[in-house]
Amino acid sequence: DQQVKQNSPSLSVQEGRISILNCDYTNSMFDYFLWYKKYPAEGPTFLISISSIKDKNEDGRFTVFLNKSAKHLSLHIVPSQPGDSAVYFCAASAPYAGNQFYFGTGTSLTVIP
Amino acid sequence: DAGVIQSPRHEVTEMGQEVTLRCKPISGHNSLFWYRQTMMRGLELLIYFNNNVPIDDSGMPEDRFSAKMPNASFSTLKIQPSEPRDSAVYFCASSPDGENTEAFFGQGTRLTVV
Repeated sequence: DQQVKQNSPSLSVQEGRISILNCDYTNSMFDYFLWYKKYPAEGPTFLISISSIKDKNEDGRFTVFLNKSAKHLSLHIVPSQPGDSAVYFCAASAPYAGNQFYFGTGTSLTVIP
Repeated sequence: DAGVIQSPRHEVTEMGQEVTLRCKPISGHNSLFWYRQTMMRGLELLIYFNNNVPIDDSGMPEDRFSAKMPNASFSTLKIQPSEPRDSAVYFCASSPDGENTEAFFGQGTRLTVV
């Protein structure tokens, strides 16, 4: 059973515009959320994270928003750049699960120059 | 540190053969994970070790799959016998202990079973 869901397999955005990637989760015990970025033929790399005590975390062009009541988080990239074209994975962890991370199915972002 | 190192990068094998994937985690990391990437399930956790002990292997799809971590610097994932539906990219990741940590991934092994 998929506890972390990314319902949009793909997204295309014009360069310079905002990219919004969405993620939903079902387990209310999750308290830490991460976004990973993956280029072809490479392993996923950590991008940004947020703890459940916050509702927003910003790092340069990347901002993650968390809505605990809706069990929803989103990643905003602004402005989007062609180099941002990659697959983005949402992940979550819970205190009871140790360091175990639960990943979504990924969203493939294409930024059109 | 060189990061998480996986070998081989690519493996092509015939159905029924044994396949062994290898992983060297980042030194000092206590947790090690094996993931399989598929279109349908994304990054699917197969097994999770902490301090070389398997903590959760509920994601291992069948008895054909087995994983070991004989010491803190090495782990293997074995498939015997392999089947075409095992074709996927397999990732190893490691993370340090502590709250709110992240997992560091290797570059993956692309397995093709023909």
